Amino acid sequence: RKEVEQDPGPFNVPEGATVAFNCTYSNSASQSFFWYRQDCRKEPKLLMSVYSSGNEDGRFTAQLNRASQYISLLIRDSKLSDSATYLCVVRVSGGYNKLIFGAGTRLAVHP
Amino acid sequence: NAGVTQTPKFRVLKTGQSMTLLCAQDMNHEYMYWYRQDPGMGLRLIHYSVGEGTTAKGEVPDGYNVSRLKKQNFLLGLESAAPSQTSVYFCASSPPRRGDQPQHFGDGTRLSIL
Repeated sequence: RKEVEQDPGPFNVPEGATVAFNCTYSNSASQSFFWYRQDCRKEPKLLMSVYSSGNEDGRFTAQLNRASQYISLLIRDSKLSDSATYLCVVRVSGGYNKLIFGAGTRLAVHP
Repeated sequence: NAGVTQTPKFRVLKTGQSMTLLCAQDMNHEYMYWYRQDPGMGLRLIHYSVGEGTTAKGEVPDGYNVSRLKKQNFLLGLESAAPSQTSVYFCASSPPRRGDQPQHFGDGTRLSIL
């Protein structure tokens, strides 16, 4: 079983739609949680951190449920520019900022 | 504002050849990492370094060696390239403090082994 699991998609949605991505992690020692965005053939870039209380950044809302070991990302009012792969990332205990990456969920927003 | 720079961007090798990928960062980060990314899989850690002169194995270290002779540089070597090493390689760096420290990535090296 993968340590971080995501639905690979693709999610094909029209502009303006709301879309939600889910992620589960298996390591109960996980300490921090993130969503990264990766455009086609580009490097991953941090989209947002995920906090237990839930957090929002513009059209993006992230939620964390530690009891269920579940993370979500909600994108409202999708834009064409949101088309990318979204990586669920978990930082686990260890002395070197160790990150475990999910394989990503691909989002395609169409006109 | 260079951040993390990887060279080369693309390379094609024949089986058995050797090569070195260079990663350079100008953010004075202590920690550096080498990952590979394959279709349908998340980034997997090959080797990492927590400071100049130190390196350690990650999840998939076999067939690779690394060196961190200078704080700003982290080199990844393939001693005898194999087709299974065809992948996209990403270097990353981060500061050492605990907490939500993101890793900063280079833009990748696409390596094909024939």
